[in-house]
Amino acid sequence: KNQVEQSPQSLIILEGKNCTLQCNYTVSPFSNLRWYKQDTGRGPVSLTIMTFSENTKSNGRYTATLDADTKQSSLHITASQLSDSASYICVVSAYYGTGANNLFFGTGTRLTVIP
Amino acid sequence: DTAVSQTPKYLVTQMGNDKSIKCEQNLGHDTMYWYKQDSKKFLKIMFSYNNKELIINETVPNRFSPKSPDKAHLNLHINSLELGDSAVYFCASSLKHSGNTIYFGEGSWLTVV
Repeated sequence: KNQVEQSPQSLIILEGKNCTLQCNYTVSPFSNLRWYKQDTGRGPVSLTIMTFSENTKSNGRYTATLDADTKQSSLHITASQLSDSASYICVVSAYYGTGANNLFFGTGTRLTVIP
Repeated sequence: DTAVSQTPKYLVTQMGNDKSIKCEQNLGHDTMYWYKQDSKKFLKIMFSYNNKELIINETVPNRFSPKSPDKAHLNLHINSLELGDSAVYFCASSLKHSGNTIYFGEGSWLTVV
């Protein structure tokens, strides 16, 4: 069964600290993995997208890693800011050849950065 | 400039009513989607259209009917609204149907009373 699980469900950290969010998946055949940030009351916004051959990808203070062998990904946030408070959603894509590219969504990690 | 725009942002309506949510993207993308986000913040795909043609139609009640007049628009019409339809509905688009970043709209908050 294709599933995407994220941990922790929620996280509270002090401003300036680092944190790491986890994503484990069982999606097959694997196509790519994306991390999205969703601010409260807004739509999700893409942070990174990684294919099978990519281990690490950075976007500013966000660094995503991918281990396709263990089917795990992490999102590391460095020097957190108050504006990082949001839900972070891991999305794994399965590609079945031509046509449909099915996406499987995690339930997200709710990050709260406090001053 | 808004890339994916959907209206209305908030909608409160009574059970049994019929309502529509409109979506437009100005990114020149071929593929558009409708997602539903429940109270637990879980996003689930409802429909996917590629160049006005239906590609994905998940197990969604047939009270939900998407309509794509052109590849820049994908509207969602809901008949006979039920309490369980209350959720946030996100429109989205991507360049092609596979392997591309999906751009989401700001969401439409539907409350059925």
